[in-house]
Amino acid sequence: EVVLTQSPGTLSLSPGEGATLSCTASQSVNTKFFVWYQQKRGQPPRVLIYQTSNRAAGIPDRFSGSGSGTDFTLTISRLEPEDFAVYFCQQYGSSPYTFGQGTKVEMK
Amino acid sequence: QVQLVESGGGVVQPGQSLRLSCSASGFTISGYAMHWVRQTPGKGLEWVAVIPYHGNNILYADSVRGRFTISRDNSMNTLSLQMNSLTVEDTAVYYCATWAFTLGVDYWGQGILVTVSS
Repeated sequence: EVVLTQSPGTLSLSPGEGATLSCTASQSVNTKFFVWYQQKRGQPPRVLIYQTSNRAAGIPDRFSGSGSGTDFTLTISRLEPEDFAVYFCQQYGSSPYTFGQGTKVEMK
Repeated sequence: QVQLVESGGGVVQPGQSLRLSCSASGFTISGYAMHWVRQTPGKGLEWVAVIPYHGNNILYADSVRGRFTISRDNSMNTLSLQMNSLTVEDTAVYYCATWAFTLGVDYWGQGILVTVSS
């Protein structure tokens, strides 16, 4: 099983600041099957980034993804108020498909 | 408008069974692999099972294999999850979902709560 470990657990930032979220896999992940989700309270997750670095439809360009092998990063260049949420990484290249435990981006 | 609507959740005792359903509208599930994903405050998101569009090569998480059965009825545009021998660790919000990101598909239901408690 591919274990995804996200860091940090919580980021306390102000609007306008940048955020860097990390996801480390216990073994190499196929970049074609690596995604980042955003989840707000009471809502299901929604995809932000797929195939490691492709923004999903309607996702602003302040969100970007990168990585390969075991190390992946989600970057938010300038936080907007609506970006304060929980972010999960996921791999679905090998079964069982797995999620990271999440990074909460909270307003300082 | 695309919708996935889960039903069948509730409170059951350990060892009992429950069947979840997911009704799709606004798109046809026959072209997509369909997933169940669950979420708990303590364990976060956990993928449960996937059934490909053709119904073969079903995959399960280790934690549910042998107890849960995923199935689909493409003619009814529905997905199901039969959950047997439930334990307290199965308590979670269960989502049905499908994704095909290169096609712009990322559909999730709103989730249904399953509580296993004595």
